[in-house]
Amino acid sequence: DIQLTQSPSFVSASVGDRVTITCRASQDISKWLAWYQQKPGRAPDLLIYAASYLQSGVPSRFSGTGSGTDFTLTISSLQPEDFATYFCQQANTLPLTFGGGTKVE
Amino acid sequence: QVQLQESGPGLVKPSETLSLTCSVSGGSITYYYWSWIRQSPGKGLEYIGYIYYNGSTNYNPSLKSRVTISMDTSKTHFSLRLTSVTAADTAVYYCARTSVGYTFSYWGQGARVTVSS
Repeated sequence: DIQLTQSPSFVSASVGDRVTITCRASQDISKWLAWYQQKPGRAPDLLIYAASYLQSGVPSRFSGTGSGTDFTLTISSLQPEDFATYFCQQANTLPLTFGGGTKVE
Repeated sequence: QVQLQESGPGLVKPSETLSLTCSVSGGSITYYYWSWIRQSPGKGLEYIGYIYYNGSTNYNPSLKSRVTISMDTSKTHFSLRLTSVTAADTAVYYCARTSVGYTFSYWGQGARVTVSS
């Protein structure tokens, strides 16, 4: 299975901050990485697919970059509603796998 | 707008079978991969498997011997069966639909299942 390592596990940030989360895959997954946001008691919401494509309806302050094994999710200016946990998921190889999550608090 | 809704027992006894159903509304079940994913504090998000609209399936090897995903003939819902459950199967179970490739754009609200006697 492809392992996804997210870092950091926790981010302490304030409204207006620029936040960067990384996800490293144990092998080449090309561009096939997605990012999700999850709030307590809710299902994950898709933010970014294919590494850099913004899901419809997602604010433009979210962006994704990377290919191969190293990927980044950036929130350019953190808003109050962005305090949540973020997960990466590789969509290249079965079984699909998820990162351990990064909590932005 | 596609909506997914899980349903099933919230409590299952050890060694018994966990059964959940995902009802699909607001869109065709044709195309896409219809999946089950679970989330527990200990193991995070875990892909269980999918059923494609043509009936083909894929299961996570870690669960393959115990999992069956099926789709009803009317194609309005699909189901998960997990046999011989233990406490390690306690989790929130989500059904989800892919959009681009194996990326999940639609999720149910989740069904919390506890395995306990």
